[in-house]
Amino acid sequence: AQSVTQLDSQVPVFEEAPVELRCNYSSSVSVYLFWYVQYPNQGLQLLLKYLSGSTLVKGINGFEAEFNKSQTSFHLRKPSVHISDTAEYFCAVRVVPYNQGGKLIFGQGTELSVKP
Amino acid sequence: ETGVTQTPRHLVMGMTNKKSLKCEQHLGHNAMYWYKQSAKKPLELMFVYSLEERVENNSVPSRFSPECPNSSHLFLHLHTLQPEDSALYLCASSPDSTGTDTQYFGPGTRLTVL
Repeated sequence: AQSVTQLDSQVPVFEEAPVELRCNYSSSVSVYLFWYVQYPNQGLQLLLKYLSGSTLVKGINGFEAEFNKSQTSFHLRKPSVHISDTAEYFCAVRVVPYNQGGKLIFGQGTELSVKP
Repeated sequence: ETGVTQTPRHLVMGMTNKKSLKCEQHLGHNAMYWYKQSAKKPLELMFVYSLEERVENNSVPSRFSPECPNSSHLFLHLHTLQPEDSALYLCASSPDSTGTDTQYFGPGTRLTVL
């Protein structure tokens, strides 16, 4: 079975500082990897996804993530955060191929709080 | 109107009430999903529909009953709920239900069961 662990439940950071949100996964088969963001009172929005190819994935709003197969990690980074990045961030995995159990499995979320 | 919409946005109901949540997607997608988001817990997938056929049902209690009359609409019928069912219920859609497609989420319905 697959699982996702987001290592930090809350990450406070000052504006314009860099940030890394950590995500580790467990799976015996290949996976697709996703990061979603949820702003207050809104649904989830895709930030970026890794399907194959280059292990460094760039997403919206200046975020990027690096897939590390040996460490089974998919950490999310941004070099300089803004107040508007305050939100909850979810890492998710999905098994490849789909017929081996293709549902999207989410981590518990990391609350990013950007302070002025 | 674009994207995925959900109504109502907030719902308060007693344990003996019957209510329904509605989701509508304007993206031309073929797959739709219901998720439950409880505080401090990961999102839980409840149901998946592909081309109006239920393809996944993750051991959800029978007091939750989904309905997908066409590929644009998804309902979640609720009856005799428990207080622990209070949560944010999110609907999502994707082009199909295979692994690579992005799921697009609605804003959710905040449900409180008294």
